[in-house]
Amino acid sequence: DQQVKQNSPSLSVQEGRISILNCDYTNSMFDYFLWYKKYPAEGPTFLISISSIKDKNEDGRFTVFLNKSAKHLSLHIVPSQPGDSAVYFCAASAGSNYKLTFGKGTLLTVNP
Amino acid sequence: KAGVTQTPRYLIKTRGQQVTLSCSPISGHRSVSWYQQTPGQGLQFLFEYFSETQRNKGNFPGRFSGRQFSNSRSEMNVSTLELGDSALYLCASSRNDQRSGANVLTFGAGSRLTVL
Repeated sequence: DQQVKQNSPSLSVQEGRISILNCDYTNSMFDYFLWYKKYPAEGPTFLISISSIKDKNEDGRFTVFLNKSAKHLSLHIVPSQPGDSAVYFCAASAGSNYKLTFGKGTLLTVNP
Repeated sequence: KAGVTQTPRYLIKTRGQQVTLSCSPISGHRSVSWYQQTPGQGLQFLFEYFSETQRNKGNFPGRFSGRQFSNSRSEMNVSTLELGDSALYLCASSRNDQRSGANVLTFGAGSRLTVL
């Protein structure tokens, strides 16, 4: 049973436009949500996180939105840059648990 | 500050052999987690150690084991290797994100295991 789902395996956007990556979850116990970016031959790199008591968190070009009633979160990247091309993983955890449950990732390609 | 260091970066084994992977966390981080990444399954949690004790374990067979030493360094071992064990094995140490309160994992570059 996949508790964190990223239904789009890939996304292609033009440089300067907005990239929107989506993630759905099923486990109501999840209360922290994180986004990671991964380049080939490297480990995932943390981007941004949000707790379930918030519905939005911003950090520079990255904004994460959380809709608890829909069990849905999204990552917005504005403006998108070619260097943002990577696989993006959504992850979730319950309480102070250090275990993260990951989605299968979305490959973002930003075209110059 | 040095990041998470994993060794070896690449290795090739044959079915039935065993393998040991090593991880040095960021200095001061006491929690170390291990994940397996495969193309079909994404990142899957193996186990997490804190102060030399296993606190969490994922749904992997007993062939997968790990340990943590007093200096927080960790090793994982896979015995009786199978073809399906070919994967990128990622180690991570953790910190708390002050903005959200989330436990953020910082990953190493991984150990790429190929089983022939």
